[in-house]
Amino acid sequence: GAGVSQSPSNKVTEKGKDVELRCDPISGHTALYWYRQSLGQGLEFLIYFQGNSAPDKSGLPSDRFSAERTGGSVSTLTIQRTQQEDSAVYLCASSRDRGRGYTFGSGTRLTVV
Amino acid sequence: KQEVTQIPAALSVPEGENLVLNCSFTDSAIYNLQWFRQDPGKGLTSLLLIQSSQREQTSGRLNASLDKSSGRSTLYIAASQPGDSATYLCAVDGSGNQFYFGTGTSLTVIP
Repeated sequence: GAGVSQSPSNKVTEKGKDVELRCDPISGHTALYWYRQSLGQGLEFLIYFQGNSAPDKSGLPSDRFSAERTGGSVSTLTIQRTQQEDSAVYLCASSRDRGRGYTFGSGTRLTVV
Repeated sequence: KQEVTQIPAALSVPEGENLVLNCSFTDSAIYNLQWFRQDPGKGLTSLLLIQSSQREQTSGRLNASLDKSSGRSTLYIAASQPGDSATYLCAVDGSGNQFYFGTGTSLTVIP
């Protein structure tokens, strides 16, 4: 596609439920990132995928968070047993390769009630 | 760990004024620096990308400079317009697997 597509754009979930957030990067982009932006906070790195290499998961805040990237394309971020502090905008970015600049999706606004 | 700082945190200017936003970073070993704008409730829109070997990039009324040795970048906006009102973020891509964002400058252009 022409840009990075994220779905859903908004998600309201009850505390304790699991959620899945999806990112469709630009076709041919090998690098993919997930970041989180909480209200009034800066952007927090979550996870990085580069081609077929093992992902860098060092930014995931707890073991309730996981992510996968299938076929080097679509990525899914899963949050299990959601907590209120997980409420944030989750942003995905992709790049043709490391160091080539990044294109962001519009994000998924997650609200845990 | 890379530390990225943006000054000022907020800026309010009358329409038509030229303005400069500042970004500083602590580790000069970078691949590139990218400027983004973020409108309320929206994602990030890329404005300019400066590779580490470059000194500046221009797009329309925007000009970004990079002084890698001193760890500084500036974003110059000429003849500001109300539509320029947004939060401006700089992001530094360097060592490690993440790129680091500044805390942003919230710009308001008053008609």
